[in-house]
Amino acid sequence: DTEVTQTPKHLVMGMTNKKSLKCEQHMGHRAMYWYKQKAKKPPELMFVYSYEKLSINESVPSRFSPECPNSSLLNLHLHALQPEDSALYLCASSQAIPVWNEQFFGPGTRLTVL
Amino acid sequence: GQQLNQSPQSMFIQEGEDVSMNCTSSSIFNTWLWYKQDPGEGPVLLIALYKAGELTSNGRLTAQFGITRKDSFLNISASIPSDVGIYFCAGQRTGNQFYFGTGTSLTVIP
Repeated sequence: DTEVTQTPKHLVMGMTNKKSLKCEQHMGHRAMYWYKQKAKKPPELMFVYSYEKLSINESVPSRFSPECPNSSLLNLHLHALQPEDSALYLCASSQAIPVWNEQFFGPGTRLTVL
Repeated sequence: GQQLNQSPQSMFIQEGEDVSMNCTSSSIFNTWLWYKQDPGEGPVLLIALYKAGELTSNGRLTAQFGITRKDSFLNISASIPSDVGIYFCAGQRTGNQFYFGTGTSLTVIP
């Protein structure tokens, strides 16, 4: 099973709302990722968790707050977002070994900020 | 973060034709991955390459890990309409970070 699941599929929120994106994998992967993707552009890395600890934060604004409650789950908490934050948010996972990794993506959450 | 150069940026081909695209970097990579992405969906892993010079196939797809470890190539033979999408390469040096190519948009004309 190489499946990464994400919920919700679509999310519309106002700039004052608080919402969360959820991601789950059962491949035993110990590295999990959040990416942001604009139309026709490559995914942009936001955060990496390795063994449930935040290992990379690509200078993401604090209105995005990641959380890794256990080795299978990854959340992204959203608060006071801006319209320019509208994008496809992708979760991914891989083994946490240094090389020769395969990274698997979820289907994404389409976020619209009004 | 670093982006890899992918070419061509877009391709319009007739159904049945073969397709070639490549990905280049100024840095050496230990792993090359190729993905296909449909609109509004997440990227789907097509092929993973781990060794310089390696040639790997997945059905009509064939990818190669360049000898210099700074590039990779993807070929699609006998294209069909469902090949339409954006193809991304991704490279991993060491550690849990993957660098993505700029993407090749493929349109197949029936």
